Amino acid sequence: QMQLVQSGAEVKKPGASVKVSCKASGYTFSSYDINWVRQATGQGLEWMGWMNPNSGNTGYAQKFQGRVTMTRNTSISTAYMELSSLRSEDTAVYFCARVEDGSGYPVDYWGQGTLVTVSS
Amino acid sequence: SYELTQPLSMSVALGQTARLTCGGNNLGSKDVHWYQQKPGQAPVLVIYRDDKRPSGIPERFSASSWGYTATLTISGAQAGDEADYYCQVWDSSIAVFGGGTKLTVL
Repeated sequence: QMQLVQSGAEVKKPGASVKVSCKASGYTFSSYDINWVRQATGQGLEWMGWMNPNSGNTGYAQKFQGRVTMTRNTSISTAYMELSSLRSEDTAVYFCARVEDGSGYPVDYWGQGTLVTVSS
Repeated sequence: SYELTQPLSMSVALGQTARLTCGGNNLGSKDVHWYQQKPGQAPVLVIYRDDKRPSGIPERFSASSWGYTATLTISGAQAGDEADYYCQVWDSSIAVFGGGTKLTVL
């Protein structure tokens, strides 16, 4: 069945980078965009950006421009989100999320989430 | 930038009807999606494109959108419906989430 399986929890120091993976199975990886959404403890959902696995095209929220990079390896149906220059405020659960390519579609599947903790 | 406004919290008596609102400029012209999130879990899509229910979502979940407000209605609320609910739209290829409403079932 359809699954998005994310990599495990990470602990990073301020200023470091983190790279989270999201392995897709049960569907054609290139047919759906992968979005990344994060959630700090007790807070709401915050959209970070999207990537089209077919073209590699990306779109990032202005807040993360210059700090986030979304990539993919189509041979293993895996998407990646790398966030650099980490600060304590980046401590959150990061979700990958599948969205049908096109206009106005919802997130229909979510990964299980990856906790990233930024602490000195 | 586009914003969606949701009440922080609301409560509903067991078996009664809960109406959760989501406000945004000219919201009726956009497709509104609703997600349910329980503690420690990923969100789950409960309504898409204003009023459509994904397979597996109970019929007691319904929604509408008009003008500046979208409304998620939970009829006959059950204890298992206690969760955070988020509305979401796309605005110029940017996903926008509301701040979420914590629903308590009494």
